[in-house]
Amino acid sequence: NAGVMQNPRHLVRRRGQEARLRCSPMKGHSHVYWYRQLPEEGLKFMVYLQKENIIDESGMPKERFSAEFPKEGPSILRIQQVVRGDSAAYFCASLGLAALNEQFFGPGTRLTVL
Amino acid sequence: AQSVTQLDSHVSVSEGTPVLLRCNYSSSYSPSLFWYVQHPNKGLQLLLKYTSAATLVKGINGFEAEFKKSETSFHLTKPSAHMSDAAEYFCVGNSGNTPLVFGKGTRLSVIA
Repeated sequence: NAGVMQNPRHLVRRRGQEARLRCSPMKGHSHVYWYRQLPEEGLKFMVYLQKENIIDESGMPKERFSAEFPKEGPSILRIQQVVRGDSAAYFCASLGLAALNEQFFGPGTRLTVL
Repeated sequence: AQSVTQLDSHVSVSEGTPVLLRCNYSSSYSPSLFWYVQHPNKGLQLLLKYTSAATLVKGINGFEAEFKKSETSFHLTKPSAHMSDAAEYFCVGNSGNTPLVFGKGTRLSVIA
């Protein structure tokens, strides 16, 4: 059973470009969470999705950021018109109903905005 | 609202000596509490978790933590530090399937 997969692992974008980060949850998991880790800080919650639904997006910036978790395929975190302040590590975690609250983390995508 | 506070941003110990990383939580209901470790440029690995069963929780690599409701604490300990323990440690809380709330992290340095 593969763990949570994220790709790409490293992503470099110039200011104004779009960044697309992908997350494939563990097999059988239908809950996905996205977190952002700025340099020298802990992880901060961004958005919580179930299949085809956004459950909680209270941590998402109001502009330029969006997330989806379609019926088929990975969850996507999209950042439009990236700025230098978007440079961070983005982690996704998945949760299954039998996991006793444990979220399993992917290896992260490290975004660098030049 | 739930919050998690890690009391030390950096802890330095000598190899072979005990490790204590402190964490306090606040929650209006019974929390689930976790400790995660993050090695440089790596993802997060779960060390241990508390989910209202035994208050003393044993994890991987010799780590353990004790849930103390009276002190609202969940400190992480290890009897003898190893060089490979040098990493960033996060105390984390949540309830049910709510998003995880992370402490700011404690960087553990182990001196030979």
